[in-house]
Amino acid sequence: GAVVSQHPSRVICKSGTSVKIECRSLDFQATTMFWYRQFPKQSLMLMATSNEGSKATYEQGVEKDKFLINHASLTLSTLTVTSAHPEDSSFYICSARTAPYDEQYFGPGTRLTVT
Amino acid sequence: AQRVTQPEKLLSVFKGAPVELKCNYSYSGSPELFWYVQYSRQRLQLLLRHISRESIKGFTADLNKGETSFHLKKPFAQEEDSAMYYCALSGLGTKTSGSRLTFGEGTQLTVNP
Repeated sequence: GAVVSQHPSRVICKSGTSVKIECRSLDFQATTMFWYRQFPKQSLMLMATSNEGSKATYEQGVEKDKFLINHASLTLSTLTVTSAHPEDSSFYICSARTAPYDEQYFGPGTRLTVT
Repeated sequence: AQRVTQPEKLLSVFKGAPVELKCNYSYSGSPELFWYVQYSRQRLQLLLRHISRESIKGFTADLNKGETSFHLKKPFAQEEDSAMYYCALSGLGTKTSGSRLTFGEGTQLTVNP
């Protein structure tokens, strides 16, 4: 089946620094990737939709200058959390799909801790 | 706006008992409903979607547009069904919402021996 990987699985960074999270589709071409955020014991909240070769579409309330998304190829999207603060600590999950209304395949998530 | 509600955060049943995980939604257009499952320390994976009308691992779910519900059911729960279950909604036939998934809060199912 389709596999999506994320790297790193965990990252700890200091407040004020930036951290990049990678999302890769390993055995299929993902025209669209999605980035979600999940707080402890809460649901997944969609942050942005990323289409290959175009700018990401951010959900209301998500700062695009803080959460930079790049989808440069059909197998890779990156999320960069810029000037991270402790309140950005969360579980970030990506998903990918090949075509509209196709199944979304989820990555294992990245645990970000900002100290 | 899309909204999904799962009223039970925790659900505990005994092995062999029937189980029903509730899901209600609100959406002005034509929805597509999904159930996702997350086993302990594993990634989220699709369990079933209403369009395919499949039964996966003994689970079924029927879309009830009148009651705006998509409850997940299994007649005889197994211990390996213990997991977090998320109901999700996507809008059909729209450019902007057709691919966006809105998730419910999730229900942690525990099946006791």
